[in-house]
Amino acid sequence: GENVEQHPSTLSVQEGDSAVIKCTYSDSASNYFPWYKQELGKRPQLIIDIRSNVGEKKDQRIAVTLNKTAKHFSLHITETQPEDSAVYFCAASTGGGNKLTFGTGTQLKVEL
Amino acid sequence: DTAVSQTPKYLVTQMGNDKSIKCEQNLGHDTMYWYKQDSKKFLKIMFSYNNKELIINETVPNRFSPKSPDKAHLNLHINSLELGDSAVYFCASSQAAPLNTEAFFGQGTRLTVV
Repeated sequence: GENVEQHPSTLSVQEGDSAVIKCTYSDSASNYFPWYKQELGKRPQLIIDIRSNVGEKKDQRIAVTLNKTAKHFSLHITETQPEDSAVYFCAASTGGGNKLTFGTGTQLKVEL
Repeated sequence: DTAVSQTPKYLVTQMGNDKSIKCEQNLGHDTMYWYKQDSKKFLKIMFSYNNKELIINETVPNRFSPKSPDKAHLNLHINSLELGDSAVYFCASSQAAPLNTEAFFGQGTRLTVV
């Protein structure tokens, strides 16, 4: 089955700096890669997703890149703000599939 | 107008008891899931249902029995609760076919077994 690894497990940045979180996946059939943000005590919520026919996607301060050959995908957050502090999860899923496999999460802390 | 709602939000119970968590989605999605989030924040899939049919059972103990009366509901019944069952349980739904779409999560149920 699919295995998703995520690094780093914790990340501290100064406000205004960029943050990068990296994931790798094992199943070459995976073609959908969402990223979720989970604030303390809240539910995970989608912040951006990418499909395997696209190499990069951007939404304001957030971008995701995908390297299918290497089975890597990354989340980039620019101009970080304190409200970006949360746990971020990457995930992978196969097309028409019924299983979303999550990475182990990254605790991002944005310090003033 | 909650998209995925699960009840209760908190559940404290003694070892050996049986409890249920209910989940409903009003998004018209064809797939529903149960995830377990432990104290280390790992989100691990337990079950996946597509149009009321069980698709995935990730080696979950038999004490856990999901039930989907229709595609908008997926309930989780747990028998003989153990201390290790303490966790936050999330229900989620998505439209999995023909292309995966965003999974929407319920608010979570924090289960504490004492």
